[in-house]
Amino acid sequence: DTGVSQDPRHKITKRGQNVTFRCDPISEHNRLYWYRQTLGQGPEFLTYFQNEAQLEKSRLLSDRFSAERPKGSFSTLEIQRTEQGDSAMYLCASSLEGLELGQQYFGPGTRLTVT
Amino acid sequence: AQSVTQLGSHVSVSEGALVLLRCNYSSSVPPYLFWYVQYPNQGLQLLLKYTSAATLVKGINGFEAEFKKSETSFHLTKPSAHMSDAAEYFCAVIPTGANNLFFGTGTRLTVIP
Repeated sequence: DTGVSQDPRHKITKRGQNVTFRCDPISEHNRLYWYRQTLGQGPEFLTYFQNEAQLEKSRLLSDRFSAERPKGSFSTLEIQRTEQGDSAMYLCASSLEGLELGQQYFGPGTRLTVT
Repeated sequence: AQSVTQLGSHVSVSEGALVLLRCNYSSSVPPYLFWYVQYPNQGLQLLLKYTSAATLVKGINGFEAEFKKSETSFHLTKPSAHMSDAAEYFCAVIPTGANNLFFGTGTRLTVIP
């Protein structure tokens, strides 16, 4: 297993366009998290899934954002009608419930630039 | 709300000198605490974690951190800095009853040759 992967690594889009990111967690991990990191800040939690159920969403996740994990494996994060303020690094992490006391494994991130 | 505060957004040390990165947490109940490192254009890598088993925690790459309940601190140290230690370091917490990480604002470590 090669760890958490994210695709694409970089995305440049024009304001108003929709974008979708993909995250493939470590295969046996049942929990998957999305975070957003802006320049000079630490990552901020957006949402998390346990298997296919989305159990928690942050207030940061506006109605333009939607995340899915349809089969409890990979996840997608879609941003509709992108705004310049959406420019950030989007990080995905996964973990196995009950193992390693909450340790999360992070992917390399998708850097979004909205022009 | 439970959170972490990292003192010093930038720290510079000479190669071979002691590294000390500060982190304080706010919690009435000791949470799970973590230190992550982020190299340029890479994801976060776990350095070490505190889960109440021992107050002095040893991590990868020669780093360690000591949990001090009386000071609500979890500072990261390394006896001798190496050029390859230059990176961004994040302290993070999973508060009791929560499932996600709350991160500090990070400390950028520069190592001077």
